[in-house]
Amino acid sequence: LAKTTQPISMDSYEGQEVNITCSHNNIATNDYITWYQQFPSQGPRFIIQGYKTKVTNEVASLFIPADRKSSTLSLPRVSLSDTAVYYCLVVLAGGGGNKLTFGTGTQLKVEL
Amino acid sequence: KAGVTQTPRYLIKTRGQQVTLSCSPISGHRSVSWYQQTPGQGLQFLFEYFSETQRNKGNFPGRFSGRQFSNSRSEMNVSTLELGDSALYLCASSSDTGVGEKLFFGSGTQLSVL
Repeated sequence: LAKTTQPISMDSYEGQEVNITCSHNNIATNDYITWYQQFPSQGPRFIIQGYKTKVTNEVASLFIPADRKSSTLSLPRVSLSDTAVYYCLVVLAGGGGNKLTFGTGTQLKVEL
Repeated sequence: KAGVTQTPRYLIKTRGQQVTLSCSPISGHRSVSWYQQTPGQGLQFLFEYFSETQRNKGNFPGRFSGRQFSNSRSEMNVSTLELGDSALYLCASSSDTGVGEKLFFGSGTQLSVL
């Protein structure tokens, strides 16, 4: 599976838009890009997943350029409760079962 | 729908003992996977079970084992505990529809080995 690289930490203020970029140069044709959020002492929570172009849900948007070698998670108007670790993963679609490889993630800190 | 339930929430053991952790997946989910999370190593995949069979395995010693029952509930066992086994153990389930699986994680079992 493709290795991902993302910033170790980011700081923001309430009400701002936060963009976290993830690099996945060796992504394969059948791979999807998936983002999880984790709060302390809790399990990760699925945020969004995409294959190409743009995906949007009630929580975030995911932008994926045509070459798919990177992706950007966009969190609109963050609040203090968005302070968490965000993981970018490359997930093989179908077959092979579920074996996620988590990197170090990005620690997002939101302040007043 | 109830989420993924892990028991116990906290556990304290001493070196050399063994421990069994339990995971009840979301109803209808047949895939259950286990992860270990430590400050130093992050989130690491242990193993995955699907329909009572181990389908994937991570790079952990044989002291770590698991099983899945016919109702999809899963248990993991760690024998001869070492100090380094202190970690948050997370269980995740999925419906396994085969398209970029979305995993649902429980809150974990915090294991402390003294």
